[in-house]
Amino acid sequence: EDQVTQSPEALRLQEGESSSLNCSYTVSGLRGLFWYRQDPGKGPEFLFTLYSAGEEKEKERLKATLTKKESFLHITAPKPEDSATYLCAVQASGTYKYIFGTGTRLKVLA
Amino acid sequence: NAGVTQTPKFRILKIGQSMTLQCTQDMNHNYMYWYRQDPGMGLKLIYYSVGAGITDKGEVPNGYNVSRSTTEDFPLRLELAAPSQTSVYFCASSAGQVVVKGELFFGEGSRLTVL
Repeated sequence: EDQVTQSPEALRLQEGESSSLNCSYTVSGLRGLFWYRQDPGKGPEFLFTLYSAGEEKEKERLKATLTKKESFLHITAPKPEDSATYLCAVQASGTYKYIFGTGTRLKVLA
Repeated sequence: NAGVTQTPKFRILKIGQSMTLQCTQDMNHNYMYWYRQDPGMGLKLIYYSVGAGITDKGEVPNGYNVSRSTTEDFPLRLELAAPSQTSVYFCASSAGQVVVKGELFFGEGSRLTVL
């Protein structure tokens, strides 16, 4: 069964304190792994797509990496505006469905 | 561009009532999805569609129905509402892997409370 597990559930950082969020997945052939950001009361907003092990994507203070079993979202020198819930999702080969993890709630303190 | 539009944003239902959550997208996407999000539970797929006239069940379809008569619209019908259907519902669409990055575009959500 396809499955996505995110850790930690919640993370509090001081402004400037870098850290990483983890997304472990089990899927029968990976078509793509996706990272989203969700602000309270809003729909998820797309950040990155990763397709194969070794791939990396960057956007401002965020960097996503992918191995055959997990993905990391690295946050470098975070700011309070980076506070949000970060969601990971996978899409298996041969399917149109996206399976989501439960997310990591990030709080960055000024 | 409006993207994905959901209505209503908020609704309170009594047990046993029925209603339809509306979803429309203006990006000409073939793939559309309905998810529900409960606190601490992530997004669970209810139904999805790969094109007009084609729908399929997701992880949690019981108590819901969908239709896809046009590319733009994908309404979600709740029959005989139950307290367990209290949740935030998100509609999403995708162009699919053939075209671009395959990401989902989400609406702002519909918050439903069943009392």
